[in-house]
Amino acid sequence: KNEVEQSPQNLTAQEGEFITINCSYSVGISALHWLQQHPGGGIVSLFMLSSGKKKHGRLIATINIQEKHSSLHITASHPRDSAVYICAPHSNYQLIWGAGTKLIIKP
Amino acid sequence: DSGVTQTPKHLITATGQRVTLRCSPRSGDLSVYWYQQSLDQGLQFLIHYYNGEERAKGNILERFSAQQFPDLHSELNLSSLELGDSALYFCASSVAGTGTYGYTFGSGTRLTVV
Repeated sequence: KNEVEQSPQNLTAQEGEFITINCSYSVGISALHWLQQHPGGGIVSLFMLSSGKKKHGRLIATINIQEKHSSLHITASHPRDSAVYICAPHSNYQLIWGAGTKLIIKP
Repeated sequence: DSGVTQTPKHLITATGQRVTLRCSPRSGDLSVYWYQQSLDQGLQFLIHYYNGEERAKGNILERFSAQQFPDLHSELNLSSLELGDSALYFCASSVAGTGTYGYTFGSGTRLTVV
């Protein structure tokens, strides 16, 4: 069993829809990171969570440490949100990468 | 510009050769991480340095080595290159190595072994 499970693996939605990406992990962590990778390859850090909820613009990330689960939400999705979203818990001085969710937002 | 500088951006070399990838972390960051992203695999953690010392090692081949210098820049050395080493190599930096600070990623070095 993988240490990090993300779902869905692929998601296609219409512009304006509310998007949810889920992440479950099995290891002990100091924090959990959500990252975004664009088709060109660049990786951007979206959130670092150690508890609760964070919001940045149209993006919201939550974490439940007891249940070892995190979610990333995108409100009012836009085609420019199309990217791969990666959940990466931090454990033992390293990020443990999820397989990523490929999100396509159609206009 | 993220603040993390990776050079070169692209590298094409032949099998059996040796290359050096360089990473300059964001100003103030003491931790440097190296990751490999192949086409058929996700991101693989290679190695983590904090303030010049190795902190953690991942799936790094014996043909690969790295170090972090006193000025905090890091180099990843890949030797006896094979076709399967073709990948995008990312460097990331952080203030500390605890994971409780944000990460800043470089734009990567795309290595092609022919």
